[in-house]
Amino acid sequence: KNEVEQSPQNLTAQEGEFITINCSYSVGISALHWLQQHPGGGIVSLFMLSSGKKKHGRLIATINIQEKHSSLHITASHPRDSAVYICAVRVNYGGSQGNLIFGKGTKLSVKP
Amino acid sequence: DGGITQSPKYLFRKEGQNVTLSCEQNLNHDAMYWYRQDPGQGLRLIYYSQIVNDFQKGDIAEGYSVSREKKESFPLTVTSAQKNPTAFYLCASSIAPGYYPNEQFFGPGTRLTVL
Repeated sequence: KNEVEQSPQNLTAQEGEFITINCSYSVGISALHWLQQHPGGGIVSLFMLSSGKKKHGRLIATINIQEKHSSLHITASHPRDSAVYICAVRVNYGGSQGNLIFGKGTKLSVKP
Repeated sequence: DGGITQSPKYLFRKEGQNVTLSCEQNLNHDAMYWYRQDPGQGLRLIYYSQIVNDFQKGDIAEGYSVSREKKESFPLTVTSAQKNPTAFYLCASSIAPGYYPNEQFFGPGTRLTVL
């Protein structure tokens, strides 16, 4: 079983729709990251969360530590949001930080 | 501008040849990482280095080697011992490990195809 699971694997939306991508993990973590990978392959960090909620423009990320679950929301989606969204967690080994463990990604395609 | 550069973007090699992928950063980061990405799989850690002249194996180090002679540079060699080297390779860096929060910054990647 993967330690980081994302859903859905693929998502197609119409421009303007509200989008939610989910991430569940099974280990204790010190932080959770949401990353965006464009078709060219480069990866950009969107959010780093350890609790609560963060907002940047049309993107909102939430995390529930007790339920080991995070969501990434995109409001008023646009074709330029089309990308692969990756969830990654930094494992907490009794107070010391481990390396990142990555989900397989969610491929989002927003149609005009 | 500060950032991470990887070159080349596309690389083709014949089977049995060693190949070295370049990764340079000017962010003054102590830690650097190499990941491999295959279709349908999450990124997997090959090697990482927390400081100059030191590096550690990641989850899939077999068939790869690295060096860290300078803070800015962390080249990855894909050796002929790597059974399935065709993949997309990503380099990343972060400030000193153990520092919280520890965000990683990624390079643009190198797509290696072994013919």
